[in-house]
Amino acid sequence: QKEVEQNSGPLSVPEGAIASLNCTYSDRGSQSFFWYRQYSGKSPELIMSIYSNGDKEDGRFTAQLNKASQYVSLLIRDSQPSDSATYLCAVSPWESNYQLIWGAGTKLIIKP
Amino acid sequence: NAGVMQNPRHLVRRRGQEARLRCSPMKGHSHVYWYRQLPEEGLKFMVYLQKENIIDESGMPKERFSAEFPKEGPSILRIQQVVRGDSAAYFCASSDPGQGNEQYFGPGTRLTVT
Repeated sequence: QKEVEQNSGPLSVPEGAIASLNCTYSDRGSQSFFWYRQYSGKSPELIMSIYSNGDKEDGRFTAQLNKASQYVSLLIRDSQPSDSATYLCAVSPWESNYQLIWGAGTKLIIKP
Repeated sequence: NAGVMQNPRHLVRRRGQEARLRCSPMKGHSHVYWYRQLPEEGLKFMVYLQKENIIDESGMPKERFSAEFPKEGPSILRIQQVVRGDSAAYFCASSDPGQGNEQYFGPGTRLTVT
């Protein structure tokens, strides 16, 4: 059974600080990794995708992938109250070109 | 550059009625996925379709639920004889096979069964 694990939170971070969100996955052969943001009552929005080991930066967001440790993280610098949302980690298993295995999400609260 | 479109955004049905949810994928996307999300819960995969083909329906309940993606027109998720437990948000996502598994979501249809 392929799994993606996230701490459900809530994770509370003061405004302006770095928020660090973590995700582990069970399928060692997974190839593609995604972070989605979901505001309450809204649909998931793709914010980052990462395919190779290391860091990928996009504005205030940095995704980090460590395939050896089966770990992917999302860092949000200079956190803003508008970053308060649930962050979903999704992983694509190696044998599938369409399937995503979803984590349950981490609720992030940025305190002004 | 229109994104994924879903309608209706809100749907109220009485127990026993039929619900039809529509999804138009993003322009250039030929793959469609349907997900269900209960309040305060995670996304549950239901079905994956390409034009005129159901590729994976492993997440679909065996009874009352069906999906299609015809050659022309939107993808349809159909729920027959709805029950209160069907109340949820139903999201459609689409992808371009040339862009890996990046899935883009529509705004969702919130189904309420009374």
